[in-house]
Amino acid sequence: DTEVTQTPKHLVMGMTNKKSLKCEQHMGHRAMYWYKQKAKKPPELMFVYSYEKLSINESVPSRFSPECPNSSLLNLHLHALQPEDSALYLCASSRQGNEQFFGPGTRLTVL
Amino acid sequence: GENVEQHPSTLSVQEGDSAVIKCTYSDSASNYFPWYKQELGKRPQLIIDIRSNVGEKKDQRIAVTLNKTAKHFSLHITETQPEDSAVYFCAATYGSAGGTSYGKLTFGQGTILTVHP
Repeated sequence: DTEVTQTPKHLVMGMTNKKSLKCEQHMGHRAMYWYKQKAKKPPELMFVYSYEKLSINESVPSRFSPECPNSSLLNLHLHALQPEDSALYLCASSRQGNEQFFGPGTRLTVL
Repeated sequence: GENVEQHPSTLSVQEGDSAVIKCTYSDSASNYFPWYKQELGKRPQLIIDIRSNVGEKKDQRIAVTLNKTAKHFSLHITETQPEDSAVYFCAATYGSAGGTSYGKLTFGQGTILTVHP
């Protein structure tokens, strides 16, 4: 398996909902990333996990809560989001920090 | 921190022409420079990369050049085709320096490339 997969592809949620985004890779990569991407803008780094431990949190609001249950899985728990949080959420993984491979993303809409 | 500037923001060419996108970076410690192609509604796809110990790398119609002294790197696409139309992002990082397993990519703002048939 040479891909990063993400579910769901699309998600619509209200501001009081709790939902989770999931990311999976079976390439043996030990670094996994969450990015947020707005239309026509580059991806913005949110979190980095290295060997299943949180290594970077780019001052992301606490309504976004990452979790790395094992070396293949990465979750992003969402709670009390705002409409401005609507974006494409991308997961990525890398072996030694260089080549980062992106998943297809989850298109999130917050109503 | 690192800062990456990318030009032009939009580029329109005729099929068969060449396209060049340029990026400059600020941190001399950066040692890895990937290029991503993102088609509408799809994931960023790594198309080519270059490390600081190499000046040029080529893969079929795509090439990347790096000038460490001037701190700039460029993407060259020859014989462009309509399917090359996409947003292209350059990025820079010092990768896994210091023994870390991750790299913190700093992206340029992107170039919208349109190839007209």
